[in-house]
Amino acid sequence: GAGVSQSPRYKVAKRGQDVALRCDPISGHVSLFWYQQALGQGPEFLTYFQNEAQLDKSGLPSDRFFAERPEGSVSTLKIQRTQQEDSAVYLCASSSRGYGYTFGSGTRLTVV
Amino acid sequence: RKEVEQDPGPFNVPEGATVAFNCTYSNSASQSFFWYRQDCRKEPKLLMSVYSSGNEDGRFTAQLNRASQYISLLIRDSKLSDSATYLCVVGGYQKVTFGTGTKLQVIP
Repeated sequence: GAGVSQSPRYKVAKRGQDVALRCDPISGHVSLFWYQQALGQGPEFLTYFQNEAQLDKSGLPSDRFFAERPEGSVSTLKIQRTQQEDSAVYLCASSSRGYGYTFGSGTRLTVV
Repeated sequence: RKEVEQDPGPFNVPEGATVAFNCTYSNSASQSFFWYRQDCRKEPKLLMSVYSSGNEDGRFTAQLNRASQYISLLIRDSKLSDSATYLCVVGGYQKVTFGTGTKLQVIP
């Protein structure tokens, strides 16, 4: 596609519910990143994929967070047993050869 | 010390003014440097990359000082449409780190 597509755009989850956030990167981009942006803060790194390989997951805040990219294109970020502190905008970005990063519009997650 | 630090602002400047932002980074091995612009409730968008020799794009000039480990962004002849948060981005190939952003408000 022409850009990075994320869905859903908004998600309201009850505390304890599992959620799955989808990212469809730019076609041909081998690098894919997930970031978490809290209100008034800059995006914080969560995890990085090169094709289907998850090369860095050091930013995932707990074992409730899990990301996958099984075929090297679409990626899913899953959060189990959501907590209120998980409320944030989750941004996905893709990159070709590490030059600049194109971001999707993000998924705004609100845990109530 | 944070990996990437920016003055959060806000910087309130009149139309037509020149404004400059600095950003410092802690990892001397950093390889890539960018400025992103983020409008309220929107995703960050690449404004410009920052090269060692400095680079200019219209009213925007970016510079890198490796010795002092900072990058800068200069905006000349500010427009109302320049109002946004400017994010400094520093990193390597596999991971980039964002600053918390500097908020710019251009006033009529």
